[in-house]
Order: sequence, then C-alpha cells, then structure tokens
Amino acid sequence: ETGVTQSPTHLIKTRGQQVTLRCSSQSGHNTVSWYQQALGQGPQFIFQYYREEENGRGNFPPRFSGLQFPNYSSELNVNALELDDSALYLCASSSPGQGTSGYTFGSGTRLTVV
Amino acid sequence: AQSVTQLDSHVSVSEGTPVLLRCNYSSSYSPSLFWYVQHPNKGLQLLLKYTSAATLVKGINGFEAEFKKSETSFHLTKPSAHMSDAAEYFCVVSDLNTDKLIFGTGTRLQVFP
Repeated sequence: ETGVTQSPTHLIKTRGQQVTLRCSSQSGHNTVSWYQQALGQGPQFIFQYYREEENGRGNFPPRFSGLQFPNYSSELNVNALELDDSALYLCASSSPGQGTSGYTFGSGTRLTVV
Repeated sequence: AQSVTQLDSHVSVSEGTPVLLRCNYSSSYSPSLFWYVQHPNKGLQLLLKYTSAATLVKGINGFEAEFKKSETSFHLTKPSAHMSDAAEYFCVVSDLNTDKLIFGTGTRLQVFP
C-alpha cells in the first residue's frame, strides 16, 4: 500500500508566476485536502476535494484553485504568486467515513517565491 | 469555533527524562483531538487521537495524552525522552462541520544527550 506522494519536492518561482503542485492519494482514499504551512506556523486548511468536487474551503483567495481527477489524485494551482505564498504545501488523503481521523499526509512541496 | 493553543513554543529536555507538551482547546461541542509530529523535511505523522472514547489515549513511540474536559486540556506526555523524539509537535482539533483540521502553532521539542 503506497502512501501519499507529492511532487515536486521543492520549487522556486518568481512573483506573479503561476504554479501547479501535484498529489497522489493513498490507495483506497477518495478525499484529498490541501494545507499551507508557512515557516514557523502550523498548517492552514486551503480546501478539500471529494469525488472531483470542492468540498470545503478555508480562508484563501480565489487565485488558489484545485482539481481532483477520477483516480483521486489532485492538483493545487496558485496564480499570480506573491512572496507570502512561500510555504510548505501539504496534501492529505482519507477514505470514506474516516474523515479527519484517517488522514495520511504527504511529505509536502516546499515553494519559494522570489 | 474550534481552536487549540499550544502553551510552549519550545521545550528542551535531557534524554531519559519525561516530556510534557501542553495544549488547551476550545470547542463548542465534544471535540476530536489529535497530536501530530513533524520531523525536519518530513510530512506530518499522527501520534494519537481522541474521539470521545477513553480519556487516556495511547499513541505510537510511547507517547500518550489525557483529555481533561474540566481543564479543556489535551497534554502530550512521554515517560522517557529519546534523541529521535526531537521534532515539531502539533496539537490539532477537528472541525466536524467542515471536516478540516485546525492546527496549533507547534511546539519544538529539543532532546539533549
């Protein structure tokens, strides 16, 4: 049983650019959640996807968007990057009925905006 | 709204001595509470979870936490620290309305030989 895989592991972008981060969920998990962890802070909920639909969103602007695919993998897209978007982006997957009790986190993508 | 407050940003202990990481929670209903650990350049690993069963919860690697409703606390303890316990620890509450996790600001645990 594979865990949650995120790619790339590290990324450097210029302010104003767009970025796409990818997440492969754990086998059997159909729910994917994304979190942003700024340096020295706890992770903050961005949004969650369930059966390819957004199923809850945190306090993030619309330039943060996502997708979930039929195989339950997911993408996080960020447009018009700002310096404050520099953070570790974590993906977590869970299976039906487990909710937050069954989260499995990936190792994250470290995004640096310069 | 649910929230958690981690009372210490840094805790330092000697190897072999007890560990205590403190967390208070705020919730309008019976919460689901978790402790996660994050080692450098790693993702988050679940240590233990409380979901309204036994108030003393045992987790992995010898950690345990006690849910105290009267004190709105969920402190993490371990009888004897190991060097490998050095990491960032997060106290977390689950928002049942939105199925999301709400993290504390973290406690960095240092273990000295």
